[in-house]
Amino acid sequence: DQQVKQNSPSLSVQEGRISILNCDYTNSMFDYFLWYKKYPAEGPTFLISISSIKDKNEDGRFTVFLNKSAKHLSLHIVPSQPGDSAVYFCAASPTLLTSGTYKYIFGTGTRLKVLA
Amino acid sequence: NAGVMQNPRHLVRRRGQEARLRCSPMKGHSHVYWYRQLPEEGLKFMVYLQKENIIDESGMPKERFSAEFPKEGPSILRIQQVVRGDSAAYFCASSPYRDGDYGYTFGSGTRLTVV
Repeated sequence: DQQVKQNSPSLSVQEGRISILNCDYTNSMFDYFLWYKKYPAEGPTFLISISSIKDKNEDGRFTVFLNKSAKHLSLHIVPSQPGDSAVYFCAASPTLLTSGTYKYIFGTGTRLKVLA
Repeated sequence: NAGVMQNPRHLVRRRGQEARLRCSPMKGHSHVYWYRQLPEEGLKFMVYLQKENIIDESGMPKERFSAEFPKEGPSILRIQQVVRGDSAAYFCASSPYRDGDYGYTFGSGTRLTVV
């Protein structure tokens, strides 16, 4: 039961162009979303987040868009740089559960390759 | 601040042996999460612990796997009688708030290989 889906396992983009990474989710209880970047042999690092009360969050070259009705979010990287080449995971969590926890559900990742 | 420290980075075990993976959270973080990444798959939640308490272990296999986070010392993920299917990267993450509002900080992972 894959509640968070990243249907593109890989993406290649020319340096300077826009990279768009997509993520779909099935659980309407998900309320908070994050993107992580992961280099080989390293742990994931937090990139950007968005809560369901917003439809856009921007941080420098990175923008995350959320479409709640479509249960879809995307990460835009503009302009793309070779150092952005990594695996990108989206993650989602419901609002605070009765157990008092957040538990992030991760997608399977998209490997981005930015070509110089 | 050394971040989340995991050791060992690489661990090789023969089938049937025990594997112990350690995680020291960031200073000031009292919440620890373990995730597993199987080859070609995403990160799968395993367990969420606070000091001396297991909060959510819904992602842990029912047998052979256990986790603890004692009052003193690192969090330990233990896998008894390892099998080849346990080969994976195991990531620990920590957060300062129960709700993890700012995302987790991950360690570099332990790559377990069962031969």
